[in-house]
Amino acid sequence: GAGVSQSPSNKVTEKGKDVELRCDPISGHTALYWYRQSLGQGLEFLIYFQGNSAPDKSGLPSDRFSAERTGGSVSTLTIQRTQQEDSAVYLCASLDVTGMNTEAFFGQGTRLTVV
Amino acid sequence: AQSVTQLDSHVSVSEGTPVLLRCNYSSSYSPSLFWYVQHPNKGLQLLLKYTSAATLVKGINGFEAEFKKSETSFHLTKPSAHMSDAAEYFCVVSDGRRGYALNFGKGTSLLVTP
Repeated sequence: GAGVSQSPSNKVTEKGKDVELRCDPISGHTALYWYRQSLGQGLEFLIYFQGNSAPDKSGLPSDRFSAERTGGSVSTLTIQRTQQEDSAVYLCASLDVTGMNTEAFFGQGTRLTVV
Repeated sequence: AQSVTQLDSHVSVSEGTPVLLRCNYSSSYSPSLFWYVQHPNKGLQLLLKYTSAATLVKGINGFEAEFKKSETSFHLTKPSAHMSDAAEYFCVVSDGRRGYALNFGKGTSLLVTP
C-alpha cells in the first residue's frame, strides 16, 4: 500500500483478555518496528524485525508481549492477559534499510484501552 | 548507548516570533538525527533529518536544524511561528544499530499564541 497501515485504530478490552494488533508495512520495506506511546510520553521502542527475524526484543516490557512477522510483510503484536498499564498508543513503522535513505514511515497507531 | 534529551517539555511563543526547540544527543557512533512532529490525533510526520551531509538541514514548513558535533546538539528552529505549528515535536537519534531503530526524546509541546 501507499503507507503503513495499522488495525484496529482503536481497541477497548477488558483486563485479562488477550489482544492482537496488526501492522501492514510499506511494500518492500525490510525493517519493521513497534513502539509504544503512553500518555504524555515519548515513543518507547518495543521490538524490530529485519525480514521475518527479530534481532532485538529487548524493548518488550514483559513476557506477556510477543510479536511475529510473516512473509517479510505483515506483523502482529500480541499482548496476553492485558493490564491497565498496557493502555497506550501502539505505533508501527517500516524502513527500507537496503538503501541510504533511513527515513522510517509511521502508521496512525492503535489506541489500546484496557478497562 | 545512544540517547536524546529534549531540554524543554513545553515551549510557548507568539505567532510571528522565532521558535527554538532544543535537543542534545549522545551516541557512540556517527548518528543520524531527525525531528518528527505530531499534531493532535495525527500520525508522526518527518520534519527533517541529518545523515552526515550538510550540518544545516532544511525541512518542511520552514523549519531547520543545525548539527553541532562539538556541542552534541541538534536544535530545531523556525524564524516565524505560525498557529498551525502548534504540536508535539520529537528529537530522534539513530546510529545504525538495532536496524536503524529510532530512539525518541520525550517530546516538546509547542504552543503558539495569537
